[in-house]
Formats: sequence, C-alpha cells, structure tokens
Amino acid sequence: DGGITQSPKYLFRKEGQNVTLSCEQNLNHDAMYWYRQDPGQGLRLIYYSQIVNDFQKGDIAEGYSVSREKKESFPLTVTSAQKNPTAFYLCASSNERGVGNEQFFGPGTRLTVL
Amino acid sequence: KQEVTQIPAALSVPEGENLVLNCSFTDSAIYNLQWFRQDPGKGLTSLLLIQSSQREQTSGRLNASLDKSSGRSTLYIAASQPGDSATYLCAVWEGSRLTFGEGTQLTVNP
Repeated sequence: DGGITQSPKYLFRKEGQNVTLSCEQNLNHDAMYWYRQDPGQGLRLIYYSQIVNDFQKGDIAEGYSVSREKKESFPLTVTSAQKNPTAFYLCASSNERGVGNEQFFGPGTRLTVL
Repeated sequence: KQEVTQIPAALSVPEGENLVLNCSFTDSAIYNLQWFRQDPGKGLTSLLLIQSSQREQTSGRLNASLDKSSGRSTLYIAASQPGDSATYLCAVWEGSRLTFGEGTQLTVNP
C-alpha cells in the first residue's frame, strides 16, 4: 500500500532532550512537510522540502531542525530550544514539488514533554 | 499574509440533514483549495481538491465550491450520517505551501 508512515505514534521526552520524529513516504512525492497541531488550533507549518537536499522554514521553525537526504524520508528533530514542544505533529507529502497539488498526511506523532 | 477562517467552529445536526460548512480567505491569489477531514487523534484525510480554474468539485455526498473573487469556499454534505462526525478543515495553496483554517467540528446525531 502506498502511503505515509510516521513513528513513533506516541513519544515522551524529558526537558532538555532532543528527539527525532520519523516520516517516510512511498508515494514517490517530491515535496514533504511538517506541521504542528495544538488543541483547538489549525495546523501550523514548521518546515517543508520540495526536493532532496533542500528545505525551507515555515511559520514556526524555531527550535526545530530537519534533513532531506532521501526522497522518501523527512525526519524532524525537536531540540531543547523549543520552549513548548508538547503537541501533535503531522507529516505530509505532495507531488510535483507541491505547487497546488493534493497533499496527503500521515497518522501523526503525539509528543509529550514530561 | 493569508488568513483562512472557518465558520461555524462547531455544528451539531440530526442525521439526514443537508449541511454547509464555510471557509473564507483573505488573499484571492491562490492556486487551489483543499478540504480535509480529521477524526480525533488521527491524521488528515483529503476530501476534495478544487483547482483555481474550477468552480466546484464533487465526490459522493460531498460537493465543494470555490469563488476566488469573493474569497469563499463551501463544503456541502448531503444526507449527513453519524459517520460524518469529524473536524473539517479547509486549506488554500499559496505559492508552494498550504495555509489552514482552524476547522469546523461536526457532530451528526443518530
């Protein structure tokens, strides 16, 4: 089955630790995205990548980092610099560099800072 | 900066009713508009993508319209069912990214 997988589903982190969230897609899509969702709020864009080895900051990139070494993978690292990292994180992808094309989402990772 | 607003924030209807969800955006220079559904604790499921040159798109009981000049889109759900209960989000493509509204939480009561 083609789709987007995110792991883990739940993640707990102690304050001061960095954690990495995994996102893999087998849709052969060029563009990949990371969003953050807080209760009662819409999705906010963290980072996106339209091509391998290139990525751009979204609206709330501070305290996060990404890499895009392979077309199918776009991991997100939540660093200790992120002041309020507890949230639901969603990864997405779209075809043809993402310009106006249908975007598809993974199942999400819920991160809780203890 | 593009802003997307969805009204109402929450809606509760009896089963079988036809209903309309509204989405407005401030900048009409968009590529396309996409409607999603989100169940609690889950990712988003794409429902409909309306190209900027189209005025509407249909899938089963769902019909979405787009009026770029007025900055509005509507999602029409016919003959609602309890399984339609979810949060519905609209998002506009601008440049190489989507901007999302905060969603409408729909409850369909049996």
